[in-house]
Amino acid sequence: QVQLVQSESELKKPGASVKVSCKASGYTFTSYAMNWVRQAPGQGLEWMGWINSNTGNPRYAQGFTGRFVFSLDIAVSTAYLQITSLKAEDTAVYYCARVYLGYCSSPSCFFSYYGVDVWGQGTTVTVSS
Amino acid sequence: QSVLTQPPSASGTPGQRVTISCSGSSSNIGSNTVNWYQQFPGTAPKLLIYSNNQRPSGVPDRFSGSKSGTSASLAISGLQSEDEADYYCAAWDDSLNGYVFGTGTKVTVL
Repeated sequence: QVQLVQSESELKKPGASVKVSCKASGYTFTSYAMNWVRQAPGQGLEWMGWINSNTGNPRYAQGFTGRFVFSLDIAVSTAYLQITSLKAEDTAVYYCARVYLGYCSSPSCFFSYYGVDVWGQGTTVTVSS
Repeated sequence: QSVLTQPPSASGTPGQRVTISCSGSSSNIGSNTVNWYQQFPGTAPKLLIYSNNQRPSGVPDRFSGSKSGTSASLAISGLQSEDEADYYCAAWDDSLNGYVFGTGTKVTVL
């Protein structure tokens, strides 16, 4: 079945880095883009950006540039989120989630017409000294 | 702070109809379709409605979505105890060039 399986929870000290993995199975990896979504404790969902699994191009939402890096290993159908120079306010659950690229040529098209339809289980990143 | 505004909470008794609003602008809801997500505590969100009013396979027809101008709504008819969850609207925003989520609404079944 279609699933996204994320890496285990992480406890990191301020200033450290973390790399979260998201392994896809049950579908053609390159037919979908991968999104990353953050949810801070007790807060709502915040879209961090996406990476086109077909081209490898990442796009970052406002507020997620500089310390956040999206990457792929297509050979093992896995997406990664790396966060450097961790801060206490990075403490959150991070989700990967796919969106179908379909026949669309723009992100407004595929987000609008297909929605983000499969989500990973979430990875909790805790930043504390 | 999100550009899509939802009421913080909504409630109803079993069997009632509950409606959740999502208010946006011309650059998001006014230009693109709306998706809705359901999230239970401690679990990942689930796509509930896409393209304003389409239900993915497996989503009960008690859930319905609509859009008018720069606002959208999610209706839950025949409310059940298992519908108690957080609900988020979302849409692409042409000005931000990004996907935006609503502030979220907690639905309580009384």
